[in-house]
Amino acid sequence: ETGVTQTPRHLVMGMTNKKSLKCEQHLGHNAMYWYKQSAKKPLELMFVYNFKEQTENNSVPSRFSPECPNSSHLFLHLHTLQPEDSALYLCASSSKGGSDIQYFGAGTRLSVL
Amino acid sequence: GESVGLHLPTLSVQEGDNSIINCAYSNSASDYFIWYKQESGKGPQFIIDIRSNMDKRQGQRVTVLLNKTVKHLSLQIAATQPGDSAVYFCAALDNYGQNFVFGPGTRLSVLP
Repeated sequence: ETGVTQTPRHLVMGMTNKKSLKCEQHLGHNAMYWYKQSAKKPLELMFVYNFKEQTENNSVPSRFSPECPNSSHLFLHLHTLQPEDSALYLCASSSKGGSDIQYFGAGTRLSVL
Repeated sequence: GESVGLHLPTLSVQEGDNSIINCAYSNSASDYFIWYKQESGKGPQFIIDIRSNMDKRQGQRVTVLLNKTVKHLSLQIAATQPGDSAVYFCAALDNYGQNFVFGPGTRLSVLP
């Protein structure tokens, strides 16, 4: 148990659906991250939040919309996704932003049909 | 742009042997590096880190070596066990010291 919990673990959605991924960390950290992990590709940083403020948006399409209501919770709202968005979405947290060890959740395996 | 790469996408070793997983990075200004282990169905898990003012750091059964001259780091696992089977990633802190750039990973398989 890493202290970072992601739900759901698996999600199948159609291209017209709207769904949300949830991440919760119990580590008392101040920074949270969303990553996309596709087969045979490096982890791709999507969004970074520091003290609930978004500090990084790595040219992510607007069909992905993050929300960070407090330092312990992070959401990724999904709408009108494409099949190429199918991937493992990982949430991570760290004590402070960027230059600190990141602790990852188990991820949400997303399939877009 | 910055990149982090590994020399081998897969590595098979006999149980009990030592494993060496390599990683190359492009940014000479990177001053902090982390190795992660990702088992099937799980997220990446921190193994060991090293800062650029060191060239070697040891943990329990693991050693990380850093060669800044050639921008290369390696992870050595002693007496490899079946539980070490996983994908191993290196990550290097970017130019701005803000985010990590991850390598594509090496899948380590431990043979009985």
